[in-house]
Amino acid sequence: EAGVTQFPSHSVIEKGQTVTLRCDPISGHDNLYWYRRVMGKEIKFLLHFVKESKQDESGMPNNRFLAERTGGTYSTLKVQPAELEDSGVYFCASSLIAFTGELFFGEGSRLTVL
Amino acid sequence: SQKIEQNSEALNIQEGKTATLTCNYTNYSPAYLQWYRQDPGRGPVFLLLIRENEKEKRKERLKVTFDTTLKQSLFHITASQPADSATYLCAPGHDSGNTPLVFGKGTRLSVIA
Repeated sequence: EAGVTQFPSHSVIEKGQTVTLRCDPISGHDNLYWYRRVMGKEIKFLLHFVKESKQDESGMPNNRFLAERTGGTYSTLKVQPAELEDSGVYFCASSLIAFTGELFFGEGSRLTVL
Repeated sequence: SQKIEQNSEALNIQEGKTATLTCNYTNYSPAYLQWYRQDPGRGPVFLLLIRENEKEKRKERLKVTFDTTLKQSLFHITASQPADSATYLCAPGHDSGNTPLVFGKGTRLSVIA
């Protein structure tokens, strides 16, 4: 069974540019989460999808971040325009049961904003 | 505000010894606590979940305890091996399904041969 896959693994962009990160969850997992780890800090929650609906987006830093999950399958996280402080590793995770069960993480997408 | 503290940023131990990692939480009453392992450049991998009504849980060389009075979980790796070297994250959570799982900063364990 394929795990959670994320693309790209690493992206380097200039401040002001746009980046779109993609996550393919494990097939059958209705719950999809985005987390972010900024250097030296803990992994922080960004948002939670249940199928195509946003269940909780309380962790999204600001309106430069837009997450979508079309058709309840893969998800994208767009940052537009990117700022220096957006640099970090963006993790996607999926699960069968919302939060109370094991979260399956992808390998992460490292974003570097110059 | 809710706070999760993992005892130290880094822990070095000799191969064969028992590693003990600590996770303390404040302003929090979690229903369970999860432990994850993260290797450099990889995503976290789930190891164990212990519920508030469980005192101890074991899986192979791993043992987790959960003390709701002390607001603390201990994570033990017995007969540690260099392959156990990684960052270990604790994540207290609730049963509501609507409350995000929050993570501690992690403890980087190095097992020296």
